[in-house]
Amino acid sequence: RKEVEQDPGPFNVPEGATVAFNCTYSNSASQSFFWYRQDCRKEPKLLMSVYSSGNEDGRFTAQLNRASQYISLLIRDSKLSDSATYLCVVNEPGSSNTGKLIFGQGTTLQVKP
Amino acid sequence: NAGVTQTPKFRILKIGQSMTLQCTQDMNHNYMYWYRQDPGMGLKLIYYSVGAGITDKGEVPNGYNVSRSTTEDFPLRLELAAPSQTSVYFCASSYPKTGVNEKLFFGSGTQLSVL
Repeated sequence: RKEVEQDPGPFNVPEGATVAFNCTYSNSASQSFFWYRQDCRKEPKLLMSVYSSGNEDGRFTAQLNRASQYISLLIRDSKLSDSATYLCVVNEPGSSNTGKLIFGQGTTLQVKP
Repeated sequence: NAGVTQTPKFRILKIGQSMTLQCTQDMNHNYMYWYRQDPGMGLKLIYYSVGAGITDKGEVPNGYNVSRSTTEDFPLRLELAAPSQTSVYFCASSYPKTGVNEKLFFGSGTQLSVL
């Protein structure tokens, strides 16, 4: 089983649609969770951290379910500029003094006019 | 601040050649990392460093070496390049806080082809 697993997609949606990405992680001891965005041929950039109570940043909402070891990202009112690959990222347990993170393979989103 | 700077952006190597990927950051970050990303895959950790003079292996260290003589610089050395090392390489850094995993700052990447 992969440590961090995502549906690779691609997700093809029209502008204005709501789309949700899911991610599962294998180690229940992980404590830090993130969504990174990666544009084609570019470096990943932090989109948002994921907190236990769930958190929202504009059109983006992240949820964490520790019991199911499941993380989600919801994008409302999709824009063309949202087209990218979204990487689910989890800390390696015991990594508080190394900062080591584990990356999922990413979910590709293509928003069409 | 320039952030994390990687050079070169592109490189083609012949099998058996060697090269060094340069990475420098001006944010005074203690933690630095080298990742590789193969097409359609997530990032795999090659080596990391928690401070000057300290390095350790990540998930895929074979065929690579690193050094960390200063806080700013974290070069990645490829000896005897092989086609399996064709990939995109990212350097990253972060500022540690006790018990908290902090945001990674990435360089713009190096596209390496070994032919």
